[in-house]
Order: sequence, then C-alpha cells, then structure tokens
Amino acid sequence: ETGVTQSPTHLIKTRGQQVTLRCSSQSGHNTVSWYQQALGQGPQFIFQYYREEENGRGNFPPRFSGLQFPNYSSELNVNALELDDSALYLCASSLAGTGPEAFFGQGTRLTVV
Amino acid sequence: AQSVTQLGSHVSVSEGALVLLRCNYSSSVPPYLFWYVQYPNQGLQLLLKYTTGATLVKGINGFEAEFKKSETSFHLTKPSAHMSDAAEYFCAVSSYFYKYIFGTGTRLKVLA
Repeated sequence: ETGVTQSPTHLIKTRGQQVTLRCSSQSGHNTVSWYQQALGQGPQFIFQYYREEENGRGNFPPRFSGLQFPNYSSELNVNALELDDSALYLCASSLAGTGPEAFFGQGTRLTVV
Repeated sequence: AQSVTQLGSHVSVSEGALVLLRCNYSSSVPPYLFWYVQYPNQGLQLLLKYTTGATLVKGINGFEAEFKKSETSFHLTKPSAHMSDAAEYFCAVSSYFYKYIFGTGTRLKVLA
C-alpha cells in the first residue's frame, strides 16, 4: 500500500505566474483534500474532491482550482500568483465511508517571489 | 460551525517532564478529534485520534489524549518528554466528510 505522494517538493514562482501541484492518493482512496499552510499557521482547507467532483470549498478565491482524475490523483492549480500564496500545500486522501481519518502527504513548499 | 483553539503557541518543558498541550474545540455535531505532529520541513504525522467510544486514546510515541465533552477539550499529554518530541503540534476537528479544521499549532521545545 503506497502512501500519499506530492510533487514537486519545492517550487519557486514569480508573482503573476500560474502553478500546478500534484498529488497521488493512497491506493484505493477516492477523496482528496487540499490544504494551505502559511508559515507559522495551521493548515487551512482549500477544497475537496470526491469521485472527480468538487465536494466542498474553503474561503479561497476562484484562482485556486483543482481537478481529480479517474485514478483519483489530483491537481491544485493557482493562477495569478501573489506573494501571500507562499506556503506549504498539503494533500490528504481518504476513502469515503471508512471513517474520519485522512492521510497527508509531505507537502509542496511554494515560494512566490 | 467548528473551531479549534490551542492554548499556548510555545511550550517549553525539561527532558523527562510532563508534556501537556491544550486543545479546546467547538462543534455543533459530535466531533472527530485529532492530534498531528509536524517536524521542520515535513508534512503532518497522525499522533492519535478520537472518533467514538473510549474517551482516553493512546497514540504513538507515548502520547495520549482525553476527550472531555463537558469541557470541550482534547488535551495531549506525555508523561516524560524526550528531546525527539520537539516539534509543532496541531489539534484538529472534523465531522463532515474529512474536512479538517486545524488549530494554530503549539511549538514544543524540550530543554536538556
């Protein structure tokens, strides 16, 4: 059983650019959630995907968007990057109906300059 | 709505002393509660969780937590701190479809 893997581990982008972060779910998991963790803060819920459909969204602007693929892997896209988007982005996967626990990846550290 | 409050953004203990990290939650429905640990430049590692049943839950690395509904608390304890326990600790609550609400974290420092 493989865990949740995220790529890349680190990324530097320029303000105004677009970025795509990737997440491979734990084997068999059909639900993926994304979180943003700014420096010195707790993770904040961005959105969740269940069976390729968005299933809940936090207080993030529309320039944060996502996809979930048939194999349940996922992407987080951020357009028009701002300096405040610099953060650790965490992906968590789970299997609906099996309990409340989600499994987190190691994260992608995004720096916007 | 749900929320989590972690009391004390920084806690220092001596090696071998009791660790107590405080977490209070607010939830309009029965909560699921979690403690995670985060080491520098790493993701989140689950220490323990409360879902239903026994209110005293034991986790990894000697940590445990007690769910107290009347006090809306889920404090994390460890009888004897070790240097390797130095990290950031997050309390989280969830009830709806795996959406987690995290506290702002407590940085634990262990003094030799």
